[in-house]
Amino acid sequence: EDKVVQSPLSLVVHEGDTVTLNCSYEVTNFRSLLWYKQEKKAPTFLFMLTSSGIEKKSGRLSSILDKKELFSILNITATQTGDSAIYLCAADTTSGTYKYIFGTGTRLKVLA
Amino acid sequence: NAGVTQTPKFQVLKTGQSMTLQCAQDMNHNSMYWYRQDPGMGLRLIYYSASEGTTDKGEVPNGYNVSRLNKREFSLRLESAAPSQTSVYFCAVTGSNQPQHFGDGTRLSIL
Repeated sequence: EDKVVQSPLSLVVHEGDTVTLNCSYEVTNFRSLLWYKQEKKAPTFLFMLTSSGIEKKSGRLSSILDKKELFSILNITATQTGDSAIYLCAADTTSGTYKYIFGTGTRLKVLA
Repeated sequence: NAGVTQTPKFQVLKTGQSMTLQCAQDMNHNSMYWYRQDPGMGLRLIYYSASEGTTDKGEVPNGYNVSRLNKREFSLRLESAAPSQTSVYFCAVTGSNQPQHFGDGTRLSIL
């Protein structure tokens, strides 16, 4: 059975801290690993990772994929209160239909 | 959320009532999806449509039906609502090699 597991389930940090969110996966027909940020409404896209070992960066956020060990991490440096959200990872198990398997998410709260 | 529009945003139903959730996109993507999101469960796929004219079951299809009306619109119907279907429903779209793009969701409560 395909599955995606995220850890920790929740995390409380103070502004300025660095956090690392984890995502492991076991899926057939793996194509890519995606990270989304969800605040009050729709999940918004952060990163799509296809190749092992290549870091993707966007400002204070970065992510990397390890296809041998089947996991990905999302790093957030110098956290701000605006980073408070649920972070979702998803494995694209495409067989031509781009079906995603989502993890349950990590709820991050950043205190001022 | 530009690109994917869901209606209604909120709805309260009584057990046994029926309703249709609407999703429309202006992104010209082929694939459309319906998810439900429950606390501690993440996003679970209900149905999806890889292209106009096709639909397939996802992980949790029981109690739902879908219609891909045309390339732009994909609706989700609850024929006889049950309290277990209380959830937040998201529509998503994608094109080739693109990440899925989500609507703002419909919050549905069934009493």
